[in-house]
Amino acid sequence: GDSVTQMEGPVTLSEEAFLTINCTYTATGYPSLFWYVQYPGEGLQLLLKATKADDKGSNKGFEATYRKETTSFHLEKGSVQVSDSAVYFCALSDDKIIFGKGTRLHILP
Amino acid sequence: DAGVIQSPRHEVTEMGQEVTLRCKPISGHNSLFWYRQTMMRGLELLIYFNNNVPIDDSGMPEDRFSAKMPNASFSTLKIQPSEPRDSAVYFCASSLGWGFQPQHFGDGTRLSIL
Repeated sequence: GDSVTQMEGPVTLSEEAFLTINCTYTATGYPSLFWYVQYPGEGLQLLLKATKADDKGSNKGFEATYRKETTSFHLEKGSVQVSDSAVYFCALSDDKIIFGKGTRLHILP
Repeated sequence: DAGVIQSPRHEVTEMGQEVTLRCKPISGHNSLFWYRQTMMRGLELLIYFNNNVPIDDSGMPEDRFSAKMPNASFSTLKIQPSEPRDSAVYFCASSLGWGFQPQHFGDGTRLSIL
């Protein structure tokens, strides 16, 4: 069946560092791909999405490109801030949504 | 715009008691999802509804759990009797359609069973 695998955390970076959180997927169809972010004490929020191959989703300085050939949707940001500290979830959605296990990100000032 | 509203935000109760969690989805959304989140198991989909009809309840852990959606603006998740291992954060989410549409999450109910 469909699945999502994302890198385990926690990931700890200094402010202004470059961020990559890896996500790969397996799917039989042509899913949409998402990144969600969860701040402490809150529910998940949609960060960005891509609906077809080679689409790039972007929001708040974060980007991810739908790579069908490598079945990947890695999340990147050029310069992280302390306020980016949160848990990040990769997800795919075809007939139903499947979430990865989440990656906790700590940004040190 | 009002988001997904869950109540209560926190619930502490003793083992064996009935627990009812409530959710009001975003107006106009026709799909509703209940999730459970724990450190050990991560985010688990319990059940989802489309147009008030349960579509997939394969994630409901056991018969002690039940969910209803009597109308488009309200859903409940009930645990009876509750057990300490049910302690978790329970999220409700809604979306316009299902499948390819993003979901909008409430802030969750933190449930502690003593």
